[in-house]
Amino acid sequence: EVQLVESGGGLVQPGGSLRLSCAASGFTFSNYWMTWVRQAPGKGLEWVANIKEDGSEKYYVDSVKGRFTISRDNAKNSLYLQMNSLRGEDTAVYYCVRAVGSSSAYWGQGTLVTVSS
Amino acid sequence: QSVLTQPPSASGTPGQRVTISCSGSTSNIGNNPVNWYQQLPGTAPRLLIYTNNQRPSGVPDRFSGSKSGTSASLAISGLQSEDEADYYCAAWDGSLKGYVFGTGTKVTVL
Repeated sequence: EVQLVESGGGLVQPGGSLRLSCAASGFTFSNYWMTWVRQAPGKGLEWVANIKEDGSEKYYVDSVKGRFTISRDNAKNSLYLQMNSLRGEDTAVYYCVRAVGSSSAYWGQGTLVTVSS
Repeated sequence: QSVLTQPPSASGTPGQRVTISCSGSTSNIGNNPVNWYQQLPGTAPRLLIYTNNQRPSGVPDRFSGSKSGTSASLAISGLQSEDEADYYCAAWDGSLKGYVFGTGTKVTVL
């Protein structure tokens, strides 16, 4: 059974940092692009970042470029999102997604990040 | 950056057919496959349609997708109460070098 379990969310002050993790199981993690997607409270879905199977290509939405870093450890079947210089508008549920644009798309249950003083 | 436009809401009575549109451009829908996602209240999204019109296993054939030019649509025939959810279209955008989602459509079963 495919599982994606996010962790690391919580309350952080503006300007602070958080590192999200996503533990993958039930499939060959190293064979898939992985993605972070977020959803602000009561709002729609927003793609945040993608990373290629081997980590050699990464793409980010403009609003997080220079502040967020996506990475992966295929030996540990894990995906990460390092978030620095956090802002109020980064408050959202962050979803880990396998192969978001394909027939293999699968979503984790999400982890809530709240940026507030 | 919602560059894909959907109507904010759609509704129908049980058994009716509901259609949701998704309007984009040549940099996204016009040149890339479209996926549709269903998000039931309080849950994570799940894949509903991939590559414009294909259904993953487990998705009822009441759901169908289509694409023409820079627009796509999702149809729900034989609407059921459990279809009340938010629906999002999505596609890769070659100009933005990013994956873009639609603005989302809330479907209500009257």
